[in-house]
Amino acid sequence: DVKVTQSSRYLVKRTGEKVFLECVQDMDHENMFWYRQDPGLGLRLIYFSYDVKMKEKGDIPEGYSVSREKKERFSLILESASTNQTSMYLCASIQNSGRAGNEQFFGPGTRLTVL
Amino acid sequence: QKEVEQNSGPLSVPEGAIASLNCTYSDRGSQSFFWYRQYSGKSPELIMFIYSNGDKEDGRFTAQLNKASQYVSLLIRDSQPSDSATYLCAVRGFGGYQKVTFGIGTKLQVIP
Repeated sequence: DVKVTQSSRYLVKRTGEKVFLECVQDMDHENMFWYRQDPGLGLRLIYFSYDVKMKEKGDIPEGYSVSREKKERFSLILESASTNQTSMYLCASIQNSGRAGNEQFFGPGTRLTVL
Repeated sequence: QKEVEQNSGPLSVPEGAIASLNCTYSDRGSQSFFWYRQYSGKSPELIMFIYSNGDKEDGRFTAQLNKASQYVSLLIRDSQPSDSATYLCAVRGFGGYQKVTFGIGTKLQVIP
């Protein structure tokens, strides 16, 4: 019954490393999202994608990039990790339809620590 | 002004009481409203959604929407210790690419 999976639950990296976070969904959803969640700041949208090879900046894209080569896979890339990118990263997907109750399905999250 | 506002809490209620969680939003064009529950260390899971003014009930949960006041709430009846979690209010606008904006969440503690 797994719908959205993320490559790692916990990750520890060093400052300056390039970091890849992978997300895969099996629901054939068009839209996929990357959020980070920090205490007191809630969920903040980093990037989203509404189709293969398409991407849009969210509210906090600085220091991140994304890749969507296949419909089911959406990758978040930290080009040069910094300590202020230590956070919980959540991937989500949603079907692109006009149905009002469409919900976002979340992956289990990746807790990234940058030393 | 934040787009979706919630009191971060914690909101403490005794077991068996009604917990009332509130959320306001700034975009009058918002169409759909969601309540997610998030246990510590876990990802959010949907409890309810609402898109019409009024009340929507599902078991012990009732969502209330007042678009004129830009206000949405979640009532939890007969609160249980297992309801202790952070509750996220989320709002989706009209059209676009289904971008959803989240509040910071209200931490609920149900005291046995």
